[in-house]
Amino acid sequence: AQSVTQLDSHVSVSEGTPVLLRCNYSSSYSPSLFWYVQHPNKGLQLLLKYTSAATLVKGINGFEAEFKKSETSFHLTKPSAHMSDAAEYFCVVIRAGSYQLTFGKGTKLSVIP
Amino acid sequence: NAGVTQTPKFQVLKTGQSMTLQCAQDMNHEYMSWYRQDPGMGLRLIHYSVGAGITDQGEVPNGYNVSRSTTEDFPLRLLSAAPSQTSVYFCASSYGSSGNTIYFGEGSWLTVV
Repeated sequence: AQSVTQLDSHVSVSEGTPVLLRCNYSSSYSPSLFWYVQHPNKGLQLLLKYTSAATLVKGINGFEAEFKKSETSFHLTKPSAHMSDAAEYFCVVIRAGSYQLTFGKGTKLSVIP
Repeated sequence: NAGVTQTPKFQVLKTGQSMTLQCAQDMNHEYMSWYRQDPGMGLRLIHYSVGAGITDQGEVPNGYNVSRSTTEDFPLRLLSAAPSQTSVYFCASSYGSSGNTIYFGEGSWLTVV
């Protein structure tokens, strides 16, 4: 079985300050992990993915995430928030050899001017 | 290359009506799936298919039917719509399992009154 816990349902930051969105996972086998972003009334866009290569993964729009097996975490960070980052973010896990994704419940990021 | 195409984008149904959400992909992906998104719930898997002629149930299959007669198409049928099926529906596809990127459609907003 696998599960994903996004520790914050809502995060609010000021423009230009760092962003941290937290994700813990549970998986019986070596997982692949993803972060997706969803802007209001839009589909899901892949930000980045971890697939057992480098533990620090760089994605689009300045986001990155670090896979920490000992902590079963895959937190998403960005050094400086931009207004366009306001959206909902989903952490997703899929175990090796599987097709089925397990989504976290999402973290809504608000960026204050 | 259109990616994953979902139709319709918006639909209002009366309780008891049936309808089909269409999903097509032009990337020759073997895996296709349907999710529903509800506030605070993330995305939950309804049905999935690992190839033409093969389908299986996900986490929330009740009230939905699928078929996969071709690699490209994976329609989702609501047999007798209920207000509880008011949701946003996403179709997804990928080539292979685990670490391969999953591509999502733009979503279908369905309201059952």
